[in-house]
Amino acid sequence: QSVLTQPPSASGTPGQRVTISCSGSTSNIGSRTVNWYQQVPGTAPKLLIYSNNQRPSGVPDRFSGSKSGTSASLAISGLQSEDEADYYCAAWDDSLNGRVVFGGGTKLTVL
Amino acid sequence: QLQLQESGPGLVKPSETLSLTCTVSGGSISSIKYYWGWIRQPPGEGLEWIGSMSYSGTTYYNPSLKSRVTISVDTSKNQFSLRMSSVTAADTAVYYCATNPCITCGLDLWGQGTTVTVSS
Repeated sequence: QSVLTQPPSASGTPGQRVTISCSGSTSNIGSRTVNWYQQVPGTAPKLLIYSNNQRPSGVPDRFSGSKSGTSASLAISGLQSEDEADYYCAAWDDSLNGRVVFGGGTKLTVL
Repeated sequence: QLQLQESGPGLVKPSETLSLTCTVSGGSISSIKYYWGWIRQPPGEGLEWIGSMSYSGTTYYNPSLKSRVTISVDTSKNQFSLRMSSVTAADTAVYYCATNPCITCGLDLWGQGTTVTVSS
């Protein structure tokens, strides 16, 4: 059971906008910033969003992040076939002397 | 440009110690004020953070693994390492090394990962 909760799957058609939610608690999302990772099957994860809503260089502005209270969201607009991947949220958790916690991951299918 | 590459045995026997190394290229590990960490992913499952070591030598471990894990840095070889003792089949996973500029920051550079199978 993951500390952060994500829906196991999401889907959309090309051009559509999809959102993926990530729910946590006051010891992680509620008091820390959220990071998002994209993992194409068979490859290493890639940092997609950091500090709730910042994009690393090279990440298209179709990807955006937001946070409110103990929840966060990743939005992908103008969905493309290459966006089909697994997406993970993560945050630092202040419980148990501190640790990085991940969501269970959301498999995004582009129909 | 900084790059990371994991290496180590692909097969480890139950109850033995798993040892992996991450070689840093494109920069000196002793001069980069980063955090050096390990993450794993069991087959068909999600990501699990194992732990990290700061540039100043402070270590942070996942409480669920802390009793079995040691992360260390060898500046002479420009490498950092993971040792996990008393492994079981549940430790079978792809192991990634990764870095971030602070312990709460996003992991912005990852190695390609190395598969470790625990089996007799």
